[in-house]
Formats: sequence, C-alpha cells, structure tokens
Amino acid sequence: AQSVTQLGSHVSVSEGALVLLRCNYSSSVPPYLFWYVQYPNQGLQLLLKYTSAATLVKGINGFEAEFKKSETSFHLTKPSAHMSDAAEYFCAVSLTNAGGTSYGKLTFGQGTILTVHP
Amino acid sequence: GAGVSQTPSNKVTEKGKYVELRCDPISGHTALYWYRQSLGQGPEFLIYFQGTGAADDSGLPNDRFFAVRPEGSVSTLKIQRTERGDSAVYLCASSKSSGTGAQPQHFGDGTRLSIL
Repeated sequence: AQSVTQLGSHVSVSEGALVLLRCNYSSSVPPYLFWYVQYPNQGLQLLLKYTSAATLVKGINGFEAEFKKSETSFHLTKPSAHMSDAAEYFCAVSLTNAGGTSYGKLTFGQGTILTVHP
Repeated sequence: GAGVSQTPSNKVTEKGKYVELRCDPISGHTALYWYRQSLGQGPEFLIYFQGTGAADDSGLPNDRFFAVRPEGSVSTLKIQRTERGDSAVYLCASSKSSGTGAQPQHFGDGTRLSIL
C-alpha cells in the first residue's frame, strides 16, 4: 500500500526566508508525485509534478522539489517566501505498476499550512 | 479556457435527504475523479471514470454513494439517506487521461456539503 507523510502540519516562516515543506512516500515502485496548493475556499492548484524525468522539478510561483529515491522524499522548497504563499500545501502520489501505468487515483498527505509573517 | 466547474458551491440539507452534486470537467478530458475532503484533512479518493465507465470505485464509503457519467462528460455524485458524517467538501478533478500516469489532475473549487 502507498502512503504519503507530510512532516509538520504547520510551518511558519518570515517573509523572504526559505520555505521547506517535507513529504515522504512509501511505495515499492517509484510513483508519480505532485504538489498542490489550496487557498481558502478554493480547489487545489497544481504547483509541480515529478514523472520520472529530471529529479529536480521546477514549478510555478518559484517553487521547486527534488525527488530522492534513496530517501523516498519529495520535499518542496522556495528560496524566498512571499506573503502570497500563505496557504495549505498537499503532497500527493499516484501509484504506478511496474510498467509505469498509473492507477489514476491520487493519495494525498494530510497537508501543511504555511504561514508567512512580515 | 474554462476550468472544472462544480455546482452547487454550497449545499445544506437535513439528515436523511438525498443530494446530487454536479461536476463539469475541462472539455476534452476523458478522466474524471471525485474526492472528499473533511475538515483539516487531505482529499480522499472516492471514484474515477475513464470515459463513461467507472474504472475504480474503491473509495466509495458505502452503498449510499453512487456516481454516474452517462455521456462521458458531466458527472453527478449522488448520496442517499445523508448522514451528518457525510458533511465535507466534495472535490471533482479531471485529466486528459489516467493511463499515462503523468497527466496532472485539475480540480474544481468543490461543493461544501453540510448535513444538519
């Protein structure tokens, strides 16, 4: 079975500081990995995705994530936080079979609420 | 272009009533997904469609929940004999295909369902 763990339900940073949101997955076959952001009363917006190409993935709004198979991690980072980054962030995995075909459904972590203070 | 549209945005009803939640996916997207998000939790998978057929309904919690997609576009999630525990935000997502695995899912803003 696959699972996703996001370490830290709340992260608080100062504006301009580094943002680091942690995500670890458990899967016997490397999955497809995604980060989504959710603003209050809105749906989820895709930030970036890992689909077995480059291990360092760049997304929107200056975010990036690095896939580390040895650590089964896919942490999200941004060098300098903006006030507008305050939101809830979800890591998600899409399990694949040995042939690389996805089963479709996403399994999400519990989410990390990012607070940015002046 | 238009994104995933969900209606209604909010639904309040009494315990025991029947509700229907509608999802209009992005045009051309063959895969459609339903998720349920409880307060303080990540979304949980309910069901997904590839075209008109339900390819995986393993997330439906019980037989009170049912979903259809008769023409391969709009989908309706139906909940019978609603219970207070059904209160949540129901999210719909669509993607070009689920088969490749690499296609990201695009989400609607959700329907906030409250059972009194």
